[in-house]
Amino acid sequence: NAGVTQTPKFQVLKTGQSMTLQCAQDMNHNSMYWYRQDPGMGLRLIYYSASEGTTDKGEVPNGYNVSRLNKREFSLRLESAAPSQTSVYFCASSDGRPNTEAFFGQGTRLTVV
Amino acid sequence: RKEVEQDPGPFNVPEGATVAFNCTYSNSASQSFFWYRQDCRKEPKLLMSVYSSGNEDGRFTAQLNRASQYISLLIRDSKLSDSATYLCVVNGRVEYGNKLVFGAGTILRVKS
Repeated sequence: NAGVTQTPKFQVLKTGQSMTLQCAQDMNHNSMYWYRQDPGMGLRLIYYSASEGTTDKGEVPNGYNVSRLNKREFSLRLESAAPSQTSVYFCASSDGRPNTEAFFGQGTRLTVV
Repeated sequence: RKEVEQDPGPFNVPEGATVAFNCTYSNSASQSFFWYRQDCRKEPKLLMSVYSSGNEDGRFTAQLNRASQYISLLIRDSKLSDSATYLCVVNGRVEYGNKLVFGAGTILRVKS
């Protein structure tokens, strides 16, 4: 059972470079999310998508863009990476109903130098 | 004020101890409440949902107090394997999807 798959698992970027983090889920979930986790800060929501074709900003969207390509895939793009974007990024999905569990990918550890 | 606040700990307890964590949330319209567990450098995983009437799952008991806007997690007979970070999770705005807001987490260390 794949669940939520994120790629890559690790990445080092130079300041100013761009990259796209990929996320795919095979649970037919409507809602998908991108979080970042920094020490002492918990998980902070970057963007989310309640359904295919829709996206909305979360708590910390600046410097990021997203694309809900289809129901399965939700990508996160850093157009011009900055050291402040060094973090662990988690993608998650849920069926979008209240009281239902969100499932997480294994995370992407990104370092911007 | 953060939407979800937790004591970061760490809580250092001996095996067999009972330990309790609290979490407060600011959005009175929140409908869904959860405790997630996160092991070091791994993804969060659901520990249990929290229901209005309170609920229990083995050694774990979760309570919700809507009037005071807090939820709690009680762990009885702590095991070494309970060592982890416990994340309080509340849904934020409900009008557009089930957006989950996470607390910063409470670290539990169970020692022999």
